[in-house]
Amino acid sequence: SAVISQKPSRDICQRGTSLTIQCQVDSQVTMMFWYRQQPGQSLTLIATANQGSEATYESGFVIDKFPISRPNLTFSTLTVSNMSPEDSSIYLCSVDRGGNTEAFFGQGTRLTVV
Amino acid sequence: GNSVTQMEGPVTLSEEAFLTINCTYTATGYPSLFWYVQYPGEGLQLLLKATKADDKGSNKGFEATYRKETTSFHLEKGSVQVSDSAVYFCALSVLSGNTPLVFGKGTRLSVIA
Repeated sequence: SAVISQKPSRDICQRGTSLTIQCQVDSQVTMMFWYRQQPGQSLTLIATANQGSEATYESGFVIDKFPISRPNLTFSTLTVSNMSPEDSSIYLCSVDRGGNTEAFFGQGTRLTVV
Repeated sequence: GNSVTQMEGPVTLSEEAFLTINCTYTATGYPSLFWYVQYPGEGLQLLLKATKADDKGSNKGFEATYRKETTSFHLEKGSVQVSDSAVYFCALSVLSGNTPLVFGKGTRLSVIA
């Protein structure tokens, strides 16, 4: 299993500012994933973060808006840049160990942009 | 490609009612199947899983059986409680390296006393 600590758990931010979300895992993992969950919606994958290389972004998400760092095998950050109210969502980090194993999730960051 | 389709919600049931949430999948290869639950204000937690055909996953009174012939993994519970009110996500994982899970859209369940 994996225990993931994600912070902040929630924040209210002014439009035009940026917020960095941190995700700490209690063991080394190769892949970490960042998701967005808009109100009442399912999870949408933002990007996959590998240690030592640039993150791979899904269609509709760009590095300038959602820069990701992955400095080591237990930590990653996602920044939501130049925020607008449309960025109000829950952001979740996740890890899995590949193959047919389950994924583990942080508790999420509930972001409200005003 | 790989995809998961689950029944649209919201689902509202009375306490002690029987619950079924349908989930079907499309996958290349032999996926593992999962149900995750998201309680209000929280992240996702694994509820149960099944890794091969005819496996039954179970936890907290919930069950789901991996049916390869119908490509389904329906979630069931015989008697729901108010505390089961949450959003339920069906998901699959394929043995193709480090790829993320594929999720269904989620089904919101509300159980009323």
